Amino acid sequence: QVQLQESGPGLVKPSQTLSLTCAVSGASISNGNYYWSWIRQHPEKGLEWIGYIHHSGSSFYSPSLKSRLSISLDTTKNQFSLNLTSATAADTAMYYCARTFIDVYNFATDTWGQGTLVTVSS
Amino acid sequence: EIVMTQSPATLSVSPGERVTLSCRASESVVSNVAWYQQKAGLPPRLLIYASSTRATGVPARFSGSGSGTEFTLTISSLQSEDFAVYYCQQYHKWPLFGGGTKVEVK
Repeated sequence: QVQLQESGPGLVKPSQTLSLTCAVSGASISNGNYYWSWIRQHPEKGLEWIGYIHHSGSSFYSPSLKSRLSISLDTTKNQFSLNLTSATAADTAMYYCARTFIDVYNFATDTWGQGTLVTVSS
Repeated sequence: EIVMTQSPATLSVSPGERVTLSCRASESVVSNVAWYQQKAGLPPRLLIYASSTRATGVPARFSGSGSGTEFTLTISSLQSEDFAVYYCQQYHKWPLFGGGTKVEVK
């Protein structure tokens, strides 16, 4: 059974870098057509796709976050990470990591972490 | 960006009823739509992808249909565990979610 677990600071000061890690168990992040995604949800609001990465090195970032965003893989630890620079209050959200299967016809995010709440405040 | 508009925002229903949720894309997304269910305090759960393919373990009472700009999620007979918020998502271009439909007890 594949499981994902987010970790990182729950409180980040404005202008600092928001950094989160997602540990994956039950599957290798180096295999197959799976991409590893970050998605966030602002309080009481909808869902926003942040970005996703494949073990081949391909990564895709939200156009609105691209200038501040970096997503990376650590295959030795079977985990992936998110770094969002110059954080503001608008980045306060529940952050989810997830596994997404992507091929020519399909884009299916079938496994999610439980989420971690990050607040940006001084 | 392709905007996904869901309607209605809230739907009040009784258990056993047939439920139809709508999602409209601002331009054609072919069949590149997924549906998710989210309950309070939990992450979203994938129900449907490629417009009509049920994800593993999803009950048969959930079905998806549509292509182009109009999509529908149908719950044939609503169960008590189905009260939740439902989101559509397009992945034809950068993945974007709709604003959600809350299915609540009537």
